[in-house]
Amino acid sequence: EDKVVQSPLSLVVHEGDTVTLNCSYEVTNFRSLLWYKQEKKAPTFLFMLTSSGIEKKSGRLSSILDKKELFSILNITATQTGDSAVYLCAVELQGAQKLVFGQGTRLTINP
Amino acid sequence: GAVVSQHPSWVICKSGTSVKIECRSLDFQATTMFWYRQFPKQSLMLMATSNEGSKATYEQGVEKDKFLINHASLTLSTLTVTSAHPEDSSFYICRVLAGLNEQFFGPGTRLTVL
Repeated sequence: EDKVVQSPLSLVVHEGDTVTLNCSYEVTNFRSLLWYKQEKKAPTFLFMLTSSGIEKKSGRLSSILDKKELFSILNITATQTGDSAVYLCAVELQGAQKLVFGQGTRLTINP
Repeated sequence: GAVVSQHPSWVICKSGTSVKIECRSLDFQATTMFWYRQFPKQSLMLMATSNEGSKATYEQGVEKDKFLINHASLTLSTLTVTSAHPEDSSFYICRVLAGLNEQFFGPGTRLTVL
């Protein structure tokens, strides 16, 4: 069974801290790994990763994929209260292009 | 602007009624749309894959007679929750493929069944 596991499930930090969110996966037919941020509504896209070892960066957020060890991390530096959200990791499967989601990490940034 | 719309954005209905949710791609054609649901404090679970002009493919455990999917055109897929019950209350989101590497989520529909 295709599986995506995120850790931690919940994280509370102070503004300015750096956080690392983890995502590991076991799937039969990997195509890409995606990170999303979800606040009150539908997820908003952050990154798509297809190749190992290449860091993707957008402002204070960055992500990298390790296809040998089957995991990805999402880093957020100098966190702000607006970063508070649920961060979802999903693996896209070849062929059907289905997304299998992890449980999400609920990140809370306290001022 | 939004490239995928969903209608309605929220709906409250009585137990036993049917509710139709629409997912539209704006300005592009989509042969494949996916329907997800998300219960409170949980992740998104794929319900079915909707292909234009053919029958939808349902995930294990999702009743195809209860969740009717119609993808009659390249810009519209509908999900009808038939004989809705309180346990069907959830956030329903569509995801649309716009090309090989482009995909968009709709804004979601919050269904509350009383």
